[in-house]
This record gives sequence, structure tokens and C-alpha cells, in this order.
Amino acid sequence: AQSVTQPDIHITVSEGASLELRCNYSYGATPYLFWYVQSPGQGLQLLLKYFSGDTLVQGIKGFEAEFKRSQSSFNLRKPSVHWSDAAEYFCAVGPRGGSYIPTFGRGTSLIVHP
Amino acid sequence: EAQVTQNPRYLITVTGKKLTVTCSQNMNHEYMSWYRQDPGLGLRQIYYSMNVEVTDKGDVPEGYKVSRKEKRNFPLILESPSPNQTSLYFCASRSDPSSYNEQFFGPGTRLTVL
Repeated sequence: AQSVTQPDIHITVSEGASLELRCNYSYGATPYLFWYVQSPGQGLQLLLKYFSGDTLVQGIKGFEAEFKRSQSSFNLRKPSVHWSDAAEYFCAVGPRGGSYIPTFGRGTSLIVHP
Repeated sequence: EAQVTQNPRYLITVTGKKLTVTCSQNMNHEYMSWYRQDPGLGLRQIYYSMNVEVTDKGDVPEGYKVSRKEKRNFPLILESPSPNQTSLYFCASRSDPSSYNEQFFGPGTRLTVL
């Protein structure tokens, strides 16, 4: 069974600073990987996903993530954070085949200081 | 506009009083699912449905029921709610149950069971 770990419960950054949110997964092979964002009072929105190919994935809102097989990681990055990026971020991992049901991490809450 | 709707958005009830949270999508999606979100635990899947009349348990199905009589609707039923079911609930849908195309989330239902 797959699992995903987001080691940081909260991350605080200043507006304009760079951001990296960590995600580590456990799976027997290369899984499907996702990052979602949840703004306050909203449902989840897909930021980006990795299925195969280029390990650096570009997403919406200026986010990118890099898949590193050797580290079982899929960290989310943004070069310059905006106040509107304050939200909850979820990493998810899904098996290749079977039920195609993703497993979500516990989430990282991003706080942006002006 | 393509969307997943949930009703009610907020609900306060008492232990043992049966309730139903409705979920409807207008995208003709085959796959629908219910999640609950609790602080520090992320999203956990309750039930999912691959198509009409096809439902299956997720990770935390105890105390919940679902039905899928029509493609667009996937209600979540709590026959005898208990305080440990106080949570934020999300319905989600995607077009193909056998792939990881984008999953659309509803806005959430915040349930409090006293």
C-alpha cells in the first residue's frame, strides 16, 4: 500500500520569498504524484501532477514540483510567494493500476507574512 | 459551469439523528467519492463509486452509507451520527474511474454532531 508524508505541519514565509514544501512517499514502484491546494473555505484544486517523463513538473499559479526517485520525494516549489498563496497544501500519491485511488498526506499549512 | 455541489454547507445536529449530505455533479462523471478531512489527518476516503449502482468502501467507511442511483448524485448518509463524525466532508468526481484525470472537489460540508 502507498503512503505519503508531509513532514511540515506549518510553514511561514514572507511575501516575495521562495517556498519549498516537502513530500515523501512510500510505494513499491513509481507512483502517480499530485499536489493540491485548498484555499480557506474552498474545496481542493489540483496544482500539478507527475505521471512520467520530465521529473520537473510545471503547474498552475507559478508552482512547480520535482520528482526525485532516489529520495522518494516530490517537493513543491515557488520562486516568489504571494499573499494569496496562503492555503493548505496536500501531496497525494496514487498507485499505477488497481483502484486508482490516491492517498493524501496530512497537509501543510502555508502562512504568508506581508 | 462545471461543478460539484454539496448541501448543506454547514450542519449542526445531535447524536443519533439521521442525516443526509447531498452531492451532485454536472459533468457526467462516472467516478465519485466522499472524503472527510480532520486536522492533522488530511483527507481520508469514506466511500467511492465507479458508476451507477457500483459503490465500495474507502479507508474509513464505518458509520456511513452511500448510494448511487443516478450518475450525477452521490449522497452520504449517516444513519446514527456520533460526535466522532464531526468533520469537514468533501465530495469529489472525475470522468474516468480507471485513470488519474483531474478530480473535481465540492466546496465542503462542515458537520458538527453534539
